[in-house]
Amino acid sequence: GQQVMQIPQYQHVQEGEDFTTYCNSSTTLSNIQWYKQRPGGHPVFLIQLVKSGEVKKQKRLTFQFGEAKKNSSLHITATQTTDVGTYFCCRGSSNTGKLIFGQGTTLQVKP
Amino acid sequence: GAGVSQSPSNKVTEKGKDVELRCDPISGHTALYWYRQSLGQGLEFLIYFQGNSAPDKSGLPSDRFSAERTGGSVSTLTIQRTQQEDSAVYLCASSRDIPHYEQYFGPGTRLTVT
Repeated sequence: GQQVMQIPQYQHVQEGEDFTTYCNSSTTLSNIQWYKQRPGGHPVFLIQLVKSGEVKKQKRLTFQFGEAKKNSSLHITATQTTDVGTYFCCRGSSNTGKLIFGQGTTLQVKP
Repeated sequence: GAGVSQSPSNKVTEKGKDVELRCDPISGHTALYWYRQSLGQGLEFLIYFQGNSAPDKSGLPSDRFSAERTGGSVSTLTIQRTQQEDSAVYLCASSRDIPHYEQYFGPGTRLTVT
């Protein structure tokens, strides 16, 4: 249905290592948003992707939207302890305001 | 300007009681969303408002849950006859418009049903 699957559920990395989380859908996505939630905090918007094959960068973060608009990824280069948190992807309906979040990937970074 | 605010920040209630959760969105934001997040879990969509109307209520877990929005601003989420499984953090978010501008989340209300 409209669910989005995120993998992995958890990731532990050593500081300086790279990290990638993936978001997959069985149906075409009109857009995809990414959010970060720090422990004890609330989700904070990172980016929205709309176009097929779109790639956007924010410093060490690279976001991609698949050519078929059915998957997306978030890649962090050289993780830092400040990257700790849960990263959620979120899909929107093309014609309503309903939004569906993935289950999130929780990142732990060992200093 | 001010962000999204929610009240109360914490609520402890006895099973069977009714509770009201309040959300003040960012001024001028026409879209307002309610989510529920259980400990260590993802965000469960409950309902959204476009202005004062709620086009999609399918996310509400049961008929004990209701929400309203007045004046295109403040929203209240009401849970009647609370159950222990209602314990969670209830998050509100607002966005400039639909479709799908970035959402700004409030700090949430942590509800504990004893």
